[in-house]
Amino acid sequence: QVTLKESGPVVVKPTETLTLTCTVSGFSLDNDRMGVSWIRQPPGKALEWLAHIFSHGTKFYSTSLKSRLTISKDTSKSQVVLTMTNVGPVDAGTYFCARAGESIWLKKFFEFDYWGQGMLVTVSS
Amino acid sequence: IVLTQSPGTLSLSLGARATLSCRASQSVSDNYLAWYQQKPGQAPRLLIYGASNRATGIPDRFSGRGSGTDFTLTISRLEPEDFAVYYCHQYGPSHTFGQGTRLEVK
Repeated sequence: QVTLKESGPVVVKPTETLTLTCTVSGFSLDNDRMGVSWIRQPPGKALEWLAHIFSHGTKFYSTSLKSRLTISKDTSKSQVVLTMTNVGPVDAGTYFCARAGESIWLKKFFEFDYWGQGMLVTVSS
Repeated sequence: IVLTQSPGTLSLSLGARATLSCRASQSVSDNYLAWYQQKPGQAPRLLIYGASNRATGIPDRFSGRGSGTDFTLTISRLEPEDFAVYYCHQYGPSHTFGQGTRLEVK
């Protein structure tokens, strides 16, 4: 059974760094041709893709947020970590991690077939 | 690629047919387009991938079609559990989502 679960701070102060962890089970982060993305959703708004890490370690980032994001993984812990620097009010919302199949040859990842439940992050001093 | 979904809100009765549209600002390569259903407080659920392929466990009343820049999700006979927000997602170049269509009970 594939599951993903987000964890991290519920509240983060403006200008601080947000660190979120996605713990997965039911698949391997390094040899199942499956990668993990982070996607966020401001309250009442649409989804926004943020970053992706492939099974072999290649990372892709949203062009608009690339300078503030870092995605990494710890295969031994089955965890994918997203850090976002210098957070502000516009970064508040629900953060999801989601699994996507990938083609290493095409350097592509595809639709998101499994999602975590999401984690609501508030930005407040 | 910018995805524009229409209508923003769709009000229909149980048993009716729902047609949701997703238009892309550029052609979506290889029909790399998916549809998701999201209910309040829940994560999105994958319905359709590759424009027309139903995901595992999705009822056959859900169908997707389209190519290039115009895509459609159809729900043939609305059930109570189908009232939700629906998002399209293109994964041709990069990844973007539409702004969503809210399907509500009339």
